[in-house]
Amino acid sequence: QLQESGPGLVKPSETLSLSCTVSGDSISRSSYHWGWIRQPPGKGLEWIGSIYYTGSTYYNPSLKSRVTISVDTSKNQFSLKLSSVTAADTAVYYCARLFSYNILTGYFFDYWGQGTLVTVSS
Amino acid sequence: QSVLTQPPSVSGAPGQRVTISCTGSSSNIGAGYDVHWYQQLPGTAPKLLIYDNNNRPSGVPDRFSGSKSGTSASLAITGLQAEDEADYYCQSYDNSLREVFGGGTKLTVL
Repeated sequence: QLQESGPGLVKPSETLSLSCTVSGDSISRSSYHWGWIRQPPGKGLEWIGSIYYTGSTYYNPSLKSRVTISVDTSKNQFSLKLSSVTAADTAVYYCARLFSYNILTGYFFDYWGQGTLVTVSS
Repeated sequence: QSVLTQPPSVSGAPGQRVTISCTGSSSNIGAGYDVHWYQQLPGTAPKLLIYDNNNRPSGVPDRFSGSKSGTSASLAITGLQAEDEADYYCQSYDNSLREVFGGGTKLTVL
């Protein structure tokens, strides 16, 4: 199970910070990566970035300059920071687990959190 | 504009068969990466529907099936039911952009 937490309202130009708590499994299992996806109101899904329990990260190139994803294995959590936010960053933010039966052909998101709406407004 | 192209909407009557296409390129689907499908019911998080082109997770009815050929993939739903009304997204890996989603397709059951 995954659960997002964090402020629902962030001011423009500030940093959005969210955490995802994983329960029922260890975030350190080598089989998984962990990721963030967002969905602006009425729009489609956008992958933000992903992390492995070792701390290795990879980001959406369009957001890379503003995104930091980190992991805290002692808390079984991983976190998202998105800096210099604007109204365009208003979205439902989901955390999810990535799994693959063959890493050469890609990963899929097999478990998702319920999502949390973050609104950017002054 | 999404890297993976899906039709914005499809519709069908109860009991009918519908398909949703997902068109990519030589840097994603055509490069041999698997395609995965998600169902998003109104107001809920996406749920994995098909993984690795044509595999169903436990609990997904066999009315749902997937296929992949060349630079495209398809999701087929047979015996359409009212509860299938939802948004559907394809996802794959891209050599430049990493994880990519299609723009989503809204399925309406008439």
